[in-house]
Amino acid sequence: GENVEQHPSTLSVQEGDSAVIKCTYSDSASNYFPWYKQELGKRPQLIIDIRSNVGEKKDQRIAVTLNKTAKHFSLHITETQPEDSAVYFCAASIFPRAAGNKLTFGGGTRVLVKP
Amino acid sequence: GAVVSQHPSWVICKSGTSVKIECRSLDFQATTMFWYRQFPKQSLMLMATSNEGSKATYEQGVEKDKFLINHASLTLSTLTVTSAHPEDSSFYICSAKDSYNEQFFGPGTRLTVL
Repeated sequence: GENVEQHPSTLSVQEGDSAVIKCTYSDSASNYFPWYKQELGKRPQLIIDIRSNVGEKKDQRIAVTLNKTAKHFSLHITETQPEDSAVYFCAASIFPRAAGNKLTFGGGTRVLVKP
Repeated sequence: GAVVSQHPSWVICKSGTSVKIECRSLDFQATTMFWYRQFPKQSLMLMATSNEGSKATYEQGVEKDKFLINHASLTLSTLTVTSAHPEDSSFYICSAKDSYNEQFFGPGTRLTVL
């Protein structure tokens, strides 16, 4: 099955700096890579996703890059703000997902943005 | 976006009792729902895939007789933790897949077994 590794496990940045989180996956059939933000005690919220037919996607201060050959993808947050502090999870899946296909999550990165 | 609810949001029970958690898709029909378990400071671990009208598919290492899943309608899946023990204490999160194959998460249920 799919295995997703995520690094670093914790990341502390100064407000205004950039944050980068990296993930690798094992199943070459995976073609959908979402990123979730989870605040303490809350549900994961999808913040951005990328499909394997593109190499990069941006949404305001957030960007995701994908290298299918190397099987890794990264989340970039620019101009970080204190409200960006949360746990971020990457995931991999096959899309569209027939019943039974599933998201495999990375271990999570706890991001702390210091004012 | 689509809304998924869970009930209860938290529950405290005695060891040996059973606890039922409901997951509802409020504004869409979900043929497939997923149940996850999340321990403190850890990732989401998929427990099982719940399919409407058929038996759930459990991940390796998850006891199907311990974690009973019922997906009786297109908007409701239930997870029953039977004979709960302190080691079952965790944050249980469901998600539901809509017709576009997008997955939406519920707010989670925090279970504490005394």
